[in-house]
Amino acid sequence: GAVVSQHPSRVICKSGTSVKIECRSLDFQATTMFWYRQFPKQSLMLMATSNEGSKATYEQGVEKDKFLINHASLTLSTLTVTSAHPEDSSFYICSAPERAYGYTFGSGTRLTVV
Amino acid sequence: QKEVEQNSGPLSVPEGAIASLNCTYSDRGSQSFFWYRQYSGKSPELIMFIYSNGDKEDGRFTAQLNKASQYVSLLIRDSQPSDSATYLCAVTRYNNNDMRFGAGTRLTVKP
Repeated sequence: GAVVSQHPSRVICKSGTSVKIECRSLDFQATTMFWYRQFPKQSLMLMATSNEGSKATYEQGVEKDKFLINHASLTLSTLTVTSAHPEDSSFYICSAPERAYGYTFGSGTRLTVV
Repeated sequence: QKEVEQNSGPLSVPEGAIASLNCTYSDRGSQSFFWYRQYSGKSPELIMFIYSNGDKEDGRFTAQLNKASQYVSLLIRDSQPSDSATYLCAVTRYNNNDMRFGAGTRLTVKP
């Protein structure tokens, strides 16, 4: 089946540093990747949509300069949280639509900023 | 009005009972409807999807869709303690379009 590999699964970083999260489609080409954020006991909120070879589109209220998205190839999309602050601590999940299996989710990244 | 609304629960049912989860959506252009199960700290797992009005059954799960009422539900028969999780309703407008999630309903199945 379609698999999206997401790394790292957990990361703890110091306030002010940057963290990169990778989502890689292993057996299909992901021309689109959706990035979600989930705070405790809340639902997944779409942050941005990345498309291979073009600029990402961000949801209202999401700072594009803070959450840098790169989708340079058909199998890799990355989200970089720049100058992270404790309020950025959250669960970040990527998802890619795949023709046969629908939407495939990565396993998620738990980010803790201290 | 939220795009996708769910009763946050918690919903508690005894083992073996039927659990009924409900979801309404605001966008009449929505075409695909999904139910996901999410365990704490984990990524969502697809339970089933439905595109057409009516019922769709898969094992112990039945999804029901009523586009006129903008309503989709999930029934879990013979509920098991392992079904205890948060259930997320999600909708999309077009194929490969971004997925919008409800807040989720927390289900607890008591042995």
